[in-house]
Amino acid sequence: QKEVEQDPGPLSVPEGAIVSLNCTYSNSAFQYFMWYRQYSRKGPELLMYTYSSGNKEDGRFTAQVDKSSKYISLFIRDSQPSDSATYLCAMSGWGGGGADGLTFGKGTHLIIQP
Amino acid sequence: NAGVTQTPKFRVLKTGQSMTLLCAQDMNHEYMYWYRQDPGMGLRLIHYSVGEGTTAKGEVPDGYNVSRLKKQNFLLGLESAAPSQTSVYFCASSPFQQAGTEAFFGQGTRLTVV
Repeated sequence: QKEVEQDPGPLSVPEGAIVSLNCTYSNSAFQYFMWYRQYSRKGPELLMYTYSSGNKEDGRFTAQVDKSSKYISLFIRDSQPSDSATYLCAMSGWGGGGADGLTFGKGTHLIIQP
Repeated sequence: NAGVTQTPKFRVLKTGQSMTLLCAQDMNHEYMYWYRQDPGMGLRLIHYSVGEGTTAKGEVPDGYNVSRLKKQNFLLGLESAAPSQTSVYFCASSPFQQAGTEAFFGQGTRLTVV
């Protein structure tokens, strides 16, 4: 079993809908939780990150972390066709220094239908 | 505003051939990484470097070698290519203080081994 599980989709929703993307994990040492967005044939880009449990909001995007359940979510409000991409969750046990890379989920392919 | 640049963008190799993928970053980042991305497998770390002259193995290092002779460059070598190494390869870099959260990715190298 991989450390991070993420449903690959595809997830197809109509424009304007609220989108919910999720990951579960097994490593209790993870402290930082990230969401990356990857457009087709491009490299991933960081959307937002959260430290430990709680919520974080950035415009139409809200990230939630529930460490007790080892479950993280990304919500997208008022979804737009330009949000169509693959969304990857990523995790690490520290914020800076001592790097050994991030642990990624497989990514969820999201399609917003106009 | 180059960021992370990967060379080449596409390559077709025959089984047994060798090649080197070049990654260059102009952000003065300490940390650099090589990932491979395969359908259904997500991003997996091959090798990484925490500074000039250092390298370390990631999750899937077999069949690859790396070198970081200069801070801005990170080279990934395939000594004897195999069809199982057909993948999209991403290089990424991170500053020390954000190495656990934000990685800046290149555009990727699509490698096919026939």
